[in-house]
Amino acid sequence: DMKVTQMPRYLIKRMGENVLLECGQDMSHETMYWYRQDPGLGLQLIYISYDVDSNSEGDIPKGYRVSRKKREHFSLILDSAKTNQTSVYFCASSLGTGTDTQYFGPGTRLLVL
Amino acid sequence: SQLAEENSWALSVHEGESVTVNCSYKTSITALQWYRQKSGKGPAQLILIRSNEREKRNGRLRATLDTSSQSSSLSITATRCEDTAVYFCATSSAGNKLTFGIGTRVLVRP
Repeated sequence: DMKVTQMPRYLIKRMGENVLLECGQDMSHETMYWYRQDPGLGLQLIYISYDVDSNSEGDIPKGYRVSRKKREHFSLILDSAKTNQTSVYFCASSLGTGTDTQYFGPGTRLLVL
Repeated sequence: SQLAEENSWALSVHEGESVTVNCSYKTSITALQWYRQKSGKGPAQLILIRSNEREKRNGRLRATLDTSSQSSSLSITATRCEDTAVYFCATSSAGNKLTFGIGTRVLVRP
């Protein structure tokens, strides 16, 4: 069964703390993505990874970094979290890029106080 | 950058009725996808329609694409309560990214 998993599902952090969001997929997909979703703004692309150690900035990369050391895992790191990074974060994967279907995880709700 | 946007913020129908969600975009595209997101879940793809296609069906779903007016529609017939969700259109161009609209909330009432 094709699946994208995200951990944790809910997270509360204080401003200035570091945050690590983890994503896994069992489909051997080359491409993985991190998005954030805010009310009225839709899904905004933070980073895209084309394979291990091959990452590219999306539309809103400031304040975030990523790590992909294994094809099936993709991490999003917030160094010194800010209150405006409170959001729902979604990870997705696809076989390739462009028109390929993206499979999304269930999301991580992050609250930065 | 390209922009995909749905044309209504929210729609409400009774179970069994049909509903149509519209989407417009601003640049040339290679394909347009429709996604559905239920409460507390991640988006899931419903239909992919390529720029050389005019219509695509998937069960009770029908998507159209008009590249001359840069618009698309997603119609759901015989709606059910479980169709209640946010529906997004997402466009892809020659690059590697999908651009998502902000979504249309569809409420199907019993």
